[in-house]
Amino acid sequence: AQSVTQPDIHITVSEGASLELRCNYSYGATPYLFWYVQSPGQGLQLLLKYFSGDTLVQGIKGFEAEFKRSQSSFNLRKPSVHWSDAAEYFCAVVNRDDKIIFGKGTRLHILP
Amino acid sequence: SAVISQKPSRDICQRGTSLTIQCQVDSQVTMMFWYRQQPGQSLTLIATANQGSEATYESGFVIDKFPISRPNLTFSTLTVSNMSPEDSSIYLCSVGLSGINYGYTFGSGTRLTVV
Repeated sequence: AQSVTQPDIHITVSEGASLELRCNYSYGATPYLFWYVQSPGQGLQLLLKYFSGDTLVQGIKGFEAEFKRSQSSFNLRKPSVHWSDAAEYFCAVVNRDDKIIFGKGTRLHILP
Repeated sequence: SAVISQKPSRDICQRGTSLTIQCQVDSQVTMMFWYRQQPGQSLTLIATANQGSEATYESGFVIDKFPISRPNLTFSTLTVSNMSPEDSSIYLCSVGLSGINYGYTFGSGTRLTVV
């Protein structure tokens, strides 16, 4: 079955530092992959998505993600984080039934 | 992309009662889903809301507990029935879009507390 693993439950970085959030997927074919962000008390906002083509995907708020088939990964990156980036980040994959399946999430903390 | 209006945004309910959550989309969509997010957890799919037919439930969720209506392509409701404190969660409506706007959009959620 299709699944997504986010190995880091919490990540803490200093404001201005670079960020990488890890995501590994399990899927037999070319996956449809997403990253969402959820700020406290808010709904989910789409950061970026990958279907095919260029493996480096640009998203909103300065985020990017790189699809690596050989590693079954879709890691999210940002060169310099801001205090407002503190939130929960979810990686997700679409399964064969066109349903989106989420990882357990990574909570990002920002040190001033 | 579609804009989803979900209400209520939050509610506090007595155990044993039921709450109906509404999801209105600003355009016609084929795929509509309901998710539950328990405190500190990820999102779990409850069911797919099918227009004109019974919803399709995921393992662990049943129609008697979470009846769903989908009268047309822009509207759906989820009812949480006979609530207990374990039902305290955020419930989110989602729609799947096809074509050039392919993706999944989520409502802002309903934060339910059962006391």
